[in-house]
Amino acid sequence: GQQVMQIPQYQHVQEGEDFTTYCNSSTTLSNIQWYKQRPGGHPVFLIQLVKSGEVKKQKRLTFQFGEAKKNSSLHITATQTTDVGTYFCEGSQGNLIFGKGTKLSVKP
Amino acid sequence: NAGVTQTPKFQVLKTGQSMTLQCAQDMNHEYMSWYRQDPGMGLRLIHYSVGAGITDQGEVPNGYNVSRSTTEDFPLRLLSAAPSQTSVYFCASRALSYEQYFGPGTRLTVT
Repeated sequence: GQQVMQIPQYQHVQEGEDFTTYCNSSTTLSNIQWYKQRPGGHPVFLIQLVKSGEVKKQKRLTFQFGEAKKNSSLHITATQTTDVGTYFCEGSQGNLIFGKGTKLSVKP
Repeated sequence: NAGVTQTPKFQVLKTGQSMTLQCAQDMNHEYMSWYRQDPGMGLRLIHYSVGAGITDQGEVPNGYNVSRSTTEDFPLRLLSAAPSQTSVYFCASRALSYEQYFGPGTRLTVT
């Protein structure tokens, strides 16, 4: 069945370092969504990618969708303590499937 | 707009008890879903609905029932609670654009 693998599961960084999380699908996706969940909170929508090779930026966050629409990445430049949380990707191919998330901790 | 609301925020049940988790949205979204979140497991889909009167099973439906009599409400029923159902439950709604709006969650403990 359709799967979305997300790596790494955990990432610990020093404040100011960069961070990247990757999502890989076993099948071609129609689109992919990214969410952020703060500790104790609920997932909050960040962005949607639809086109092959698409790159979108939100301040220090850069989102990419692979040419084959099977993988995606979220890159944070110069992390801050406010970036702490778990980042999830969600792939769409008819059904919506979440990756297991990458938990980011940032040491001040 | 209140968005997606869930009640209760916390609940403790004994094994074998039944209960209903409430979910409501005021955005007139057709799609609503229930997820459970366990450590290291991400968000797993329990049941979903594509409109009033239409529901379907997700990845982990056993032990749960849903109904959708109105666009606004999508309650989740635990038929006979088991310790394996200890989890955080999120309700979500969306329009056609795939952007999901999540409720604040219900933390359920089954002893």
